[in-house]
Amino acid sequence: DAGITQSPRHKVTETGTPVTLRCHQTENHRYMYWYRQDPGHGLRLIHYSYGVKDTDKGEVSDGYSVSRSKTEDFLLTLESATSSQTSVYFCAITRDIVNEQFFGPGTRLTVL
Amino acid sequence: GENVEQHPSTLSVQEGDSAVIKCTYSDSASNYFPWYKQELGKRPQLIIDIRSNVGEKKDQRIAVTLNKTAKHFSLHITETQPEDSAVYFCAALSGSARQLTFGSGTQLTVLP
Repeated sequence: DAGITQSPRHKVTETGTPVTLRCHQTENHRYMYWYRQDPGHGLRLIHYSYGVKDTDKGEVSDGYSVSRSKTEDFLLTLESATSSQTSVYFCAITRDIVNEQFFGPGTRLTVL
Repeated sequence: GENVEQHPSTLSVQEGDSAVIKCTYSDSASNYFPWYKQELGKRPQLIIDIRSNVGEKKDQRIAVTLNKTAKHFSLHITETQPEDSAVYFCAALSGSARQLTFGSGTQLTVLP
């Protein structure tokens, strides 16, 4: 499991409320990613990080922000949640050199 | 950016038969191509990968082939078993931060 945890694992919230999802890794990997998974769309990259305080946008970044103040933590924030952000969110890390990417257990988010 | 197309979207085979899933990619600079298996409610799990300097790789009943000239790669599963039933995703790596672009997935069902 590459030492990746996500919290919370499930969350139900209301439209317009802020939400923060946390990804934590224990193996000191440089690269971390946030994906969302929706039926028919596979896995789509939201944001990624290549080091502390170094982040960039992915394919579907609108409505999301991220922060990485420590190597082990990568936070995804929905500033004002909308129903279209109901999804399963996966965090991932890449083992450098070999390029193998491993996923966390996921967070199921429902926005009512 | 990279674009990955995956076919078919659904595939049903009889137990013991072979299954083949095909992907094409657009970025000629992509050099790493992993395959993931995702069971219902679980995280994607890396099952096999291939790098651009290799044409074929096998691991027991699964194999992956890569044709860089044609920009396509395929997953082959032989002697399928019911536990092979899952969604399979292909991906291609590009970018300085090791970003993966995923195909839209193939739902494989192995019929007993």
